[in-house]
Amino acid sequence: NAGVTQTPKFRILKIGQSMTLQCAQDMNHNYMYWYRQDPGMGLKLIYYSVGAGITDKGEVPNGYNVSRSTTEDFPLRLELAAPSQTSVYFCASSYSLAGGSGGTQYFGPGTRLTVL
Amino acid sequence: ILNVEQSPQSLHVQEGDSTNFTCSFPSSNFYALHWYRWETAKSPEALFVMTLNGDEKKKGRISATLNTKEGYSYLYIKGSQPEDSATYLCAFGGRRALTFGSGTRLQVQP
Repeated sequence: NAGVTQTPKFRILKIGQSMTLQCAQDMNHNYMYWYRQDPGMGLKLIYYSVGAGITDKGEVPNGYNVSRSTTEDFPLRLELAAPSQTSVYFCASSYSLAGGSGGTQYFGPGTRLTVL
Repeated sequence: ILNVEQSPQSLHVQEGDSTNFTCSFPSSNFYALHWYRWETAKSPEALFVMTLNGDEKKKGRISATLNTKEGYSYLYIKGSQPEDSATYLCAFGGRRALTFGSGTRLQVQP
């Protein structure tokens, strides 16, 4: 049981390049999330998904896209990378609580991205 | 954008001290309040999820209380140890997603 896995661990991009951050979970969680952590700040939600085929914007979605074709995978796409996207990106997954809200979130190890 | 506030921002205590932090959140549209522990260079790990007003949770020397009517939660650490040094995050659970506070950074000096 690997939990939540993320690849790559580190990446350096040039301005204008694109890339996909991979996230997978093997806990059969229906909810998945992408966050970014900026220095001195907490976690900001980029996108989330409550099930395969369903995604929704979080607090800071601009410059990113997601898809959820399977329960297990939730990739995050960066188009036209900008220095403002330099951050640590965390993927998380959770089951749902009664009433539909997300339960305890399990986090991946993070991807450290630098855009130069 | 929901406002989830944590105080203090940082705290330095001596080994053996007991301490507590506050998380304040909107009192409407409440579904759950989460607490996470986040060590440097690691990923956040769940401590508690609380859903009912008056909930109290305990794990070892760490406990938490919840007041949904006035919109606050307290996290207590009894007899702090150096291994308790971490950032403690609270998160307000709305209909589907969590909104995290900025965290309280705790340093425990031996």
